[in-house]
Amino acid sequence: GDSVTQMEGPVTLSEEAFLTINCTYTATGYPSLFWYVQYPGEGLQLLLKATKADDKGSNKGFEATYRKETTSFHLEKGSVQVSDSAVYFCALRGNNRLAFGKGNQVVVIP
Amino acid sequence: DVKVTQSSRYLVKRTGEKVFLECVQDMDHENMFWYRQDPGLGLRLIYFSYDVKMKEKGDIPEGYSVSREKKERFSLILESASTNQTSMYLCASSLIVYRGTYEQYFGPGTRLTVT
Repeated sequence: GDSVTQMEGPVTLSEEAFLTINCTYTATGYPSLFWYVQYPGEGLQLLLKATKADDKGSNKGFEATYRKETTSFHLEKGSVQVSDSAVYFCALRGNNRLAFGKGNQVVVIP
Repeated sequence: DVKVTQSSRYLVKRTGEKVFLECVQDMDHENMFWYRQDPGLGLRLIYFSYDVKMKEKGDIPEGYSVSREKKERFSLILESASTNQTSMYLCASSLIVYRGTYEQYFGPGTRLTVT
């Protein structure tokens, strides 16, 4: 079935560092792909999305490109801030539902 | 803006109690979902509903039931709460596929503790 795999473990980095979170997927067809963010004590918010191959989603300085050839949708940000500390989830649209990865905790140190 | 609200942010219940978690959305979305979120396990889908009075089991429906009597409201019911149901519960809603790109909008979550 449809599934999403995110890199293992939390990510700790310094302010202004470059952030990458890997996401790969398994699905039939060409699903829409999403990144959600969860700030402490809150529900999930949509961060960005891409609906077809080679689309680039972007928001708040974050970017991700839908790569069909590598079945990937890696999240990147060039210069992180302390306020970017959160949990990030990759997801794909399957059969009338979303399949989520397990999430990555990102901690940005001043 | 889409708004999804959940009846409680924090809830403490005793083992064996019947527990109701309520979710309301204000954007006329067809689909509504209940997830639980646990450390190291991510989000797991419990039940979802694509229309009034319609429901489908998700990945972990055991010990739970749901009710959708009105389009804007989706309730999660723990018939007899157990300690292994201590978790964060998240409600979400979305348009049906042919009406949009299907992103889900989430409520703030209910942290349930069963003692």
